[in-house]
Order: sequence, then C-alpha cells, then structure tokens
Amino acid sequence: EIVLTQSPGTLSLSPGERATLSCRASQSVSSSHLAWYQQKPGQAPRLLISGASSRAFGIPDRFSGSGSGTDFTLTISRLEPEDFAVYYCQQYGSSPLTFGGGTKVEIK
Amino acid sequence: QLQLQESGPGLVKSSETLSLTCTVSGGSISSSSYYWGWFRQPPGKGLEWIGSIYQSGSTYYNPSLKSRVTISVDTSKDQFSLNLTSLTAADTAVYYCARGAGSTIFYNPPDYWGQGTLVTVSS
Repeated sequence: EIVLTQSPGTLSLSPGERATLSCRASQSVSSSHLAWYQQKPGQAPRLLISGASSRAFGIPDRFSGSGSGTDFTLTISRLEPEDFAVYYCQQYGSSPLTFGGGTKVEIK
Repeated sequence: QLQLQESGPGLVKSSETLSLTCTVSGGSISSSSYYWGWFRQPPGKGLEWIGSIYQSGSTYYNPSLKSRVTISVDTSKDQFSLNLTSLTAADTAVYYCARGAGSTIFYNPPDYWGQGTLVTVSS
C-alpha cells in the first residue's frame, strides 16, 4: 500500500499570497497517477488536478500541480477567499487507492 | 449535468449490516466508459477508498475492508449499492459515492461525487 504524507498539516496565509502544499509517497506513484482534491466543510471533495499536473474541467489556472515519482506539489499562485479549505492528494496508480492526511489552508 | 445521490439509514446498530444506494441521474450507469466507487470519511478525519465497480460488474475492494464489503450495480435503475457487514463504531463516517472516467480505477481519479451521507453506528 502506498502511504501519502502531506505537509504541512496547516498553512496559515493571507488572501493574495502563494500556497505551496507537499505530498510525499512511500513508493513511486505509477505513471504520475496523483490527484489533488479540495474539500470545504460539509461538502464532497472537488477534483482539482489529475495526472499530477492536469487541471480538471473548470478549475482556475491559479491552481497548478507538479512532481513525479514520490514527490508532488500543489501550488495556488494567489489565494482567493474561496480557496481556504482542506486539500488532499490521492494516488490511483495502484490498489488500494490511498489519500494523504490533508493540508488545511486557513486565513492568517 | 451528472448527479449522484446516496441514500440509506443514518443510524445502524453495531454488528449489523449497512446498505447504501447511490442513484445516478443525468447520465447512464451502463456506459463502459466509467467506473463507480464508494469512499468514506470519519468525522474530522481523512478520506478512505472502500471499493469500486465497473459496468461489467467487476469489482475492486480495499483489502482492509474486503472481507466485509460487497458492491453491486443495478443498470435497470441506474443505481449501485454498498453492503458493509459486522459494523463497529469505527465504521461511523460520511459515505460518498463517486464516478470516475475510464474503464479502470487506475486511469482517472473520481471526478463526480455525491453530497455524502452520514452513517452513525451505535452500540
């Protein structure tokens, strides 16, 4: 089973600042099958990024993903008020599908 | 617009079986271009994959739950279902159904999710 470790656990930033979230895998993620989700309280996860770097339909270009192998990054170039949420990485390259523990981006 | 809606009991007793149904609207569950899955999230915690099913009926389960899980599909009703047996308090969670594009769970991550339903296991 691939274990995903996200850091930091909490990121305190102001609107307009840049957010950099990390996801590290315990072993290489096959074919960069790494996704990022955003989740707000009381809501289902929303797919942001698949294939490590491809934005899902309708996702603003301030969201970008990068990385390969065992190290992946989600960057939000300029935080908007609606971006404060919890972010999860997920690998879908091997079974079982697994998620990271999440990074909470909170308003400073 | 594709929509998924979970339904089932909000409260179940320990040792009993949970049965949830996901109804798909705005699209057909019969397409071989998609797979369907169940996930859960204990209160205040992270996400866990339970299992997935293809239009053919083939299934993939999380090994940690495999002995207790059955996922099935009813194409005539555009529904798929989850059965989870031998419940304990650790199964208390919000349960989500979801859809992913592709003929395998290893092709794309889920992109459409239901709103989720809270299931509480009581003793």
